[in-house]
Parts: sequence; C-alpha cells; structure tokens
Amino acid sequence: QSALTQPRSVSGSLGQSVTISCTGTTSDVGGYKYVSWYQQHPDKAPKLMIYDVSERPSGVPDRFSGSKSGNTASLTISGLQAEDEADYHCCSYAGRYTSVFGTGTKVTVL
Amino acid sequence: QLHLQESGPRLVKPSETLSLTCTVSGDSISSSTHYWAWIRQPPGKGLEWIGSFFYSGTTYYNPFLRSRVTISGDTSKNQFSLRLSSVTAADTAVYYCARWEGIADHYFDYWGQGTLVTVSS
Repeated sequence: QSALTQPRSVSGSLGQSVTISCTGTTSDVGGYKYVSWYQQHPDKAPKLMIYDVSERPSGVPDRFSGSKSGNTASLTISGLQAEDEADYHCCSYAGRYTSVFGTGTKVTVL
Repeated sequence: QLHLQESGPRLVKPSETLSLTCTVSGDSISSSTHYWAWIRQPPGKGLEWIGSFFYSGTTYYNPFLRSRVTISGDTSKNQFSLRLSSVTAADTAVYYCARWEGIADHYFDYWGQGTLVTVSS
C-alpha cells in the first residue's frame, strides 16, 4: 500500500486554473470510484473538498472539480483565489476497508 | 455540529507506547452509519491512514503499521483510542482523528484539530 503520487507543487495566477494529479494503481485509484480530495491550510486540519471522484460536499465552491482517468485522478481549481493557496491531498479507497493518501501538493497563488 | 478532539501525551520516549484518545461530540461512535479513524502527518509530509474502528469492535489497520497498532472504543464515554507500540522518531507526527464515511462510501468528512506527538528521549 504505497502512497499515491502527487506533484510536490503547482502554481497559478489569480483567476487562472490549476490541475493537480494523483497517480495510483489498479488496486486503488484505478479500481474504485472512491477518490477524495482534502484542502489543508498551514497548521489546520484537512477539509474535505471532493468525494467519489467528482462530488462536492455542501459549501465547497463549484470552482473545485474532480475527475479520473485510469489510475490517475485529478483536482482542478478554476478561477484561482488567494484563499485557495494551501496543501491538497488526494485519498483513495484501496480495498478491504483500507485507505491510502497521496504525497500532497502545495498550491501557490502568484 | 460534530466535533472531534484528540488528547494524550505530547512527548513519548523511543520504544514506548503512544496513546491517544479522541472524544466525539455531536454524533455517537455507537452509530452503525459511520466508522472512526486515525490519520497522521509527519512534519512537512503527507497524510498517512493508520486505521479505522467500527462500534461493533471491527478494526482495519494500515498493513505497514498493523503489528504495532490497536484502535478501540469506549461507547460509554463516546471516545475511541489509538495505541502505537515500540515507537521511534519516525512516528513523530501530528495525529488526527476523523469520522470515516465507510459504509456506503469512503471519505473522511470530519476531522479533529490534530495533536503533535514527538518521540524523543
């Protein structure tokens, strides 16, 4: 159960779009529809932003969207805002009631 | 509103056992609709799932930590706990408890604020 692979960092200007990838295997990302994404500001607890690959919890802005193709899931932030600067973590169900997280990505708003 | 709060020693000596408790308010750990989980984050690194607990006593653990981890619950206090034995410096991390939507779905929807546990002599 190795960590899912994410880019260490991505950046974009205010109003632009950024996409974060999350690559796993057929045993996790590729095998299930259960990919979730979490936003984490410095010294804060993670916050659920996306679940079931592309579903948004109530209260999450619609500029956050998720998708999946094969063993890679993606989180796109459209119309980047200053408050979107944070770390983002993907997570996938890995079977037998286990979960695996990604390596984490720092999003910088230029 | 659901609230989770971690508590326990912040400093643990190498080779000893790390023990943390998560107190839940706003929901019952005896509920058959959710699991409860522990997740950790070493300084400057990503999140790592440790394990999950169901009110019936069923537990699921990260294969890499299974030999050292025990998660249990106290329904009378609405708390669940983590024990991690034989700790080393590599176990230094912020430890989070969370609610896991693991029945019909799989995601962590509520998190505690986290507590930093340092392993050092």
